Order: sequence, then C-alpha cells, then structure tokens
Amino acid sequence: NAGVTQTPKFRVLKTGQSMTLLCAQDMNHEYMYWYRQDPGMGLRLIHYSVGEGTTAKGEVPDGYNVSRLKKQNFLLGLESAAPSQTSVYFCASRQTGTLTEAFFGQGTRLTVV
Amino acid sequence: AQRVTQPEKLLSVFKGAPVELKCNYSYSGSPELFWYVQYSRQRLQLLLRHISRESIKGFTADLNKGETSFHLKKPFAQEEDSAMYYCALRVGDQGGKLIFGQGTELSVKP
Repeated sequence: NAGVTQTPKFRVLKTGQSMTLLCAQDMNHEYMYWYRQDPGMGLRLIHYSVGEGTTAKGEVPDGYNVSRLKKQNFLLGLESAAPSQTSVYFCASRQTGTLTEAFFGQGTRLTVV
Repeated sequence: AQRVTQPEKLLSVFKGAPVELKCNYSYSGSPELFWYVQYSRQRLQLLLRHISRESIKGFTADLNKGETSFHLKKPFAQEEDSAMYYCALRVGDQGGKLIFGQGTELSVKP
C-alpha cells in the first residue's frame, strides 16, 4: 500500500543545475499538488494538476515547471536551480469530491549550493 | 483573498495542560477546513476535517463561521502530541487546491 511516493528523498544541487522530482501515486487520484515547505512560511503551493495532461500555477510557480503525462505521476522540474529553491518539497494527491483527504509523500529535501 | 492564518509559530505547554491551536481563515465561499499534523521529519497526515465533528487522538475542532475560525483543541496534552500542526482551507474553484497556514509547532514538555 504505497500511497504517494517521492523520488529522490534527498538531493544537493549546484546553482544552475537542473533536476526533476518525481511523484507517484497508486490511488487513482485525479488531483495532484506540489508544495514547498519553508520555516515560518508553512506549505506553499507551487503547481497543481486536476487530471492527466493538465497543470496549473499555484502560489509560487516561478523557477519550476511540471508535467502530468500519466495520471499516476506528477513531475516537478527545476531548470536552473537557485539557492532560494533550497527547501523541502512535498507532493500530495487527492480524489475529487468535497472534503476528501489529501495524501502526502514523505518529502524531498533539496539543497542548492 | 483566500488566506489561512495561524498566529502562533510555537506553542509550548506542559503535559496534562489544555491546548488550543488557533486558525483563522479568509474565504468568501463555503469553507472546507482541515487540520493536518506532521510529526518529526514525517509526512503530513490528516488529523481532522470540519464536517466530521469527530475527535481524533483527543483533538477536536469547531468551525465558527461568524469568527471565521477553526481552532484545534485538546483538554489534556500528551508528550506524543508534539508536532507541527497545519490548518488548511480547501478552495472550491481552481481544482480544489488546499491553502495552508504557516503552521504551529506544539511542544509538550514532561
């Protein structure tokens, strides 16, 4: 019963490098989200998707891109990493309908030096 | 504007003391509110949702639309309650995204 799985769990990047974070869910959820968690700022929504092939910007989308080619996967890309993107990234998924629970991944701790 | 405010970054209490974690929201529609908990270095997990009016791990939360609040309460705190607590508002438009507050770290001392 995997739920939401994020890959990788940890990563250190140099400024200017690129990387992709993978989020996979096995619950057939329609909605998927990428958040970043920073001290004192809570969780801020980066991008989200309401279904396969669709994406939308959240609160802090600059510097990130996403793709949802398959329903179960939601990829977050950093094309040119900056130190300001040092954060813990959480993916979440949720089924449609009111008051449905969002399930979170275990997080990816990213450091950009 | 849609917003969730948790005014306390840190709340420190002794074991057995009552706890109240504050959450206020701003939303023009009909709110759907949740409390999520994150134990040390673990993933967030749902604690409560406003519609269920249930008590989980001794915690309860009541939606007060007049005061636009959804405070989380527990009459007797336990050490294992120490964690980060996030209040979240589901916004009905734009894909049902969840907006989180800044979080409150609860520390329960022995």
